[in-house]
Amino acid sequence: DVKVTQSSRYLVKRTGEKVFLECVQDMDHENMFWYRQDPGLGLRLIYFSYDVKMKEKGDIPEGYSVSREKKERFSLILESASTNQTSMYLCASSFGQGVPSYNEQFFGPGTRLTVL
Amino acid sequence: QQPVQSPQAVILREGEDAVINCSSSKALYSVHWYRQKHGEAPVFLMILLKGGEQKGHDKISASFNEKKQQSSLYLTASQLSYSGTYFCGTYVRFNDYKLSFGAGTTVTVRA
Repeated sequence: DVKVTQSSRYLVKRTGEKVFLECVQDMDHENMFWYRQDPGLGLRLIYFSYDVKMKEKGDIPEGYSVSREKKERFSLILESASTNQTSMYLCASSFGQGVPSYNEQFFGPGTRLTVL
Repeated sequence: QQPVQSPQAVILREGEDAVINCSSSKALYSVHWYRQKHGEAPVFLMILLKGGEQKGHDKISASFNEKKQQSSLYLTASQLSYSGTYFCGTYVRFNDYKLSFGAGTTVTVRA
């Protein structure tokens, strides 16, 4: 079974803190994604990566950065957390560099981040 | 641009049928369907590709009208396990990495 794990299920941080969300997948997938999920808005893509050290902006990258130093690990960084970044963050991975539209994404359980 | 899903929510009794629609203003290459149960990760259901190819669940059916940029997911003879939020996601090109998700349709199946 494909497994995507995220470092925390729940996280509480203060405004201005630097926040790291970690994601690890065990199926040697080329593609990894970070989404945020908010009620009524569905899942919105923050960043994605199709190879080690490669990253591309999604639809809502402002206030976030990412790092992919190893194939299995994709980190989301909030440089200075703000209250409007309180949300559920979902990591996903998929097989197939170059043809992501043909393959399903496997999601992690999510991290519910609260910024006070 | 996000696809539009309808309805936003539907309540069914076991055994009833429902249709969830997903519409886009752009020409689509593929449509993906996922289901998320409360407190869990989204789980893949099906991919529908331009040209008619499908991948996925053999107990859930869906259609893809390329000309209308629409897809429909059919929940037939619903079971309690069908409850959850269903999301469609769309790609506009075969080599696109950006999967745009709709806002979701919450399905509640009651005994």
